[in-house]
Amino acid sequence: SAVISQKPSRDICQRGTSLTIQCQVDSQVTMMFWYRQQPGQSLTLIATANQGSEATYESGFVIDKFPISRPNLTFSTLTVSNMSPEDSSIYLCSAYRNYEQYFGPGTRLTVT
Amino acid sequence: AQKVTQAQTEISVVEKEDVTLDCVYETRDTTYYLFWYKQPPSGELVFLIRRNSFDEQNEISGRYSWNFQKSTSSFNFTITASQVVDSAVYFCALSLENAGNMLTFGGGTRLMVKP
Repeated sequence: SAVISQKPSRDICQRGTSLTIQCQVDSQVTMMFWYRQQPGQSLTLIATANQGSEATYESGFVIDKFPISRPNLTFSTLTVSNMSPEDSSIYLCSAYRNYEQYFGPGTRLTVT
Repeated sequence: AQKVTQAQTEISVVEKEDVTLDCVYETRDTTYYLFWYKQPPSGELVFLIRRNSFDEQNEISGRYSWNFQKSTSSFNFTITASQVVDSAVYFCALSLENAGNMLTFGGGTRLMVKP
């Protein structure tokens, strides 16, 4: 299995500001992903964080709004830019290894 | 494109009842993986099981069991003798080997087990 930590665990932010979420995995993994879970909803993939290259974004998500970094095989960041109340969600990092995908504890973001 | 459907949005049972959570998937790929995750009120996603498309054997783990049937594109999850601690949202998910292994989630089923 993989142990994944995320920082911060929760935050309350004002509209128009940006927040960077950090994701750390306890060992090297081939793939890392970022998901969003809006209140009462299922999880939606934002992007695949690629090590050494630009992230691959899903339809409806753009780099200007959700810039992602992945400087090495154990760490990634997701920034939620120019936030609005609609960005209030849980953001989850996940790591893929040996056909299994594990999730971090999530970052609960509230935008006021 | 792939799709996962969990038709039951909410189920309520009394403790010790058996309960089955349904999951139906759609994909044209022949190599894929099916998952179940549990999300308790605390919010974290707990991995329960992964099954690949070539293994239709049913699996049992304690009070949990899974029934994978390719003929009906279903991967159902049964909890036997449910307990209050089983109360959570359960997600079924699908990943494709040829599509980057990201997960496509169903809408989730909220299970409430009452004492």
